Amino acid sequence: GAGVSQTPSNKVTEKGKYVELRCDPISGHTALYWYRQSLGQGPEFLIYFQGTGAADDSGLPNDRFFAVRPEGSVSTLKIQRTERGDSAVYLCASSPSSGRATDTQYFGPGTRLTVL
Amino acid sequence: GDSVTQMEGPVTLSEEAFLTINCTYTATGYPSLFWYVQYPGEGLQLLLKATKADDKGSNKGFEATYRKETTSFHLEKGSVQVSDSAVYFCVGGGADGLTFGKGTHLIIQP
Repeated sequence: GAGVSQTPSNKVTEKGKYVELRCDPISGHTALYWYRQSLGQGPEFLIYFQGTGAADDSGLPNDRFFAVRPEGSVSTLKIQRTERGDSAVYLCASSPSSGRATDTQYFGPGTRLTVL
Repeated sequence: GDSVTQMEGPVTLSEEAFLTINCTYTATGYPSLFWYVQYPGEGLQLLLKATKADDKGSNKGFEATYRKETTSFHLEKGSVQVSDSAVYFCVGGGADGLTFGKGTHLIIQP
């Protein structure tokens, strides 16, 4: 079956612009996660959805970052007034239930964001 | 907070060599432990996991045992292949979700 997909695969934008990154999870997966991976580092948690609601957004770095999942499937990560430090690969993952500690997460290929 | 420390790379080995990638963790309580792998041009995928102390995870010839006494989850394989070349992440899973190590780039030469 289809895995997690993310669009676009690459996004280049200018400092100060607004960007949206999209994630399509595996069908039927209730949990969805966003991570950010900088060069040479492991992924860092941003936000976790259980269904339509954000169950944990403690990883969002500041109020320029926001994410939604209005129908409990597709999610969009939104970044306002982008800064050069936002450049990274943004990863989305989904899992079939709410076991954050034990469930296998299925990752998408990521969106590489470059802020000039 | 929770943290995961794994050996720095790159690690370069010849085909059929024995592999160990060290991983230790610091956490409140006893988390689940995972190894995720990223092959060139592909997304992260689960390699193996252990959800409690003394559990052994295994897959594709790789093994790791959850050692509570040493807070470790070292990844081993008896005979590596060129196709094992990838970046390997040790990951802790707790109440606050997954905590990733920095990753170890493994290069296997024929």
